[in-house]
Formats: sequence, C-alpha cells, structure tokens
Amino acid sequence: GAGVSQTPSNKVTEKGKYVELRCDPISGHTALYWYRQSLGQGPEFLIYFQGTGAADDSGLPNDRFFAVRPEGSVSTLKIQRTERGDSAVYLCASSLEGSSYNSPLHFGNGTRLTVT
Amino acid sequence: AQTVTQSQPEMSVQEAETVTLSCTYDTSESDYYLFWYKQPPSRQMILVIRQEAYKQQNATENRFSVNFQKAAKSFSLKISDSQLGDAAMYFCAYRNLLGGSEKLVFGKGTKLTVNP
Repeated sequence: GAGVSQTPSNKVTEKGKYVELRCDPISGHTALYWYRQSLGQGPEFLIYFQGTGAADDSGLPNDRFFAVRPEGSVSTLKIQRTERGDSAVYLCASSLEGSSYNSPLHFGNGTRLTVT
Repeated sequence: AQTVTQSQPEMSVQEAETVTLSCTYDTSESDYYLFWYKQPPSRQMILVIRQEAYKQQNATENRFSVNFQKAAKSFSLKISDSQLGDAAMYFCAYRNLLGGSEKLVFGKGTKLTVNP
C-alpha cells in the first residue's frame, strides 16, 4: 500500500478482555516498530522488529503485551487481560532498513484503544 | 536513561510570522540523532526535520530550521512564514547510536496554534 495501515482505527473493549491490533507496513520495509501514546504524552517505544524477529522488546510494559510478525510483513500487537491503564493510541511505524536516520520512520494513523 | 523535555505545552503564532519551539535533552552519549515530528489530528507522526549530532551545521528543510547547541543539549525548531497547515502537535525526539538501539525517545510535545 501507499502507507502504513493500522486496523482497527478505534477499539473499545471491556477490562479483562483480549485485543489484537494490526499493522500493515509499507511494502518492502524490513523494520517495524510499535509505540504507545497515552493522553497528553509523546509516543513511548514498545518493540522493534527486523524482519520476522523482535530485535528489541525492551519497551513492552509487562507479559500481558506480546507482538508477532510471522512473515516479516504484517504485525499484530496482542494485549491480554486488558486494564484501563492500557487505554492509549497505539502507533505502528515502518522503515526501509531499520536506521531511523537514513531511512526515516513512516507512521500509521494509530489505533485508539479504550478499555472500559 | 535519555530524556527529552519540551517546556512549552502550547504556543501560538500569527500566520506568516516566525515561531520557535524549544527542546532540551539529557544524554551522556556523543553520537546520536535528533528529530522533530509533527502530529496533526489524524494522529499520523510526520517527520519534519532531523539532525546528526556530529554535524555542526544546523539542518534546514524549506521553512523549517533547527538551532542545535550540542554543549547545551538544546535542539529548537524554527518555523518561518507560518501557515495554517502548520497547526499541530510537535514532538522532539532523540535516538542514541550506540548499542544498535532503534528506539526513539520523545518529549511530551508542544501544541502549535496558527492564527489567521
């Protein structure tokens, strides 16, 4: 596609439920990133994929959060036993080579997750 | 840990005038990249300008320029001839080059209003 696509655009779920957020990167981009943006804050890094593997998952807040990228393209962020504190905009970005300077990040429009 | 501080939660400017957004950062590293991103209501983060720390010359991109003061750890963004379309949240971001980290550290953002 022309840009990074994230679905759904908005997701409302009840506390304790499981959710999946999808990211479809720009075709040919090997690097993929997930960020979380809480209200009134800047984005916070969650995880970075290079190809199929998670090269850096140091930003995942706890073991309820998990992300996969099985074929090196589409990625899914999975959140188990959601809590109200998980409410945020989840941003996905991709880049051609994984270098944030020489191949800048292209962001999607994010998924706004609301946990009631 | 690196931190990025944007001390101006909100700024306003008259159309066609110039405005400067402030950003300071804290790091003990010498090699890093700095970025300014724009986030309109669509939520998509758009790269405005970037700077390599080892380059003394300030980066410019059309109406956007930076004042990079490495010793002071300051990285301000100047927008000249402001346009209505410049209205958005602006985020300053830092990326360390050592250790292969791909993580961007963002500030909390500055909301820019452009008055006609």
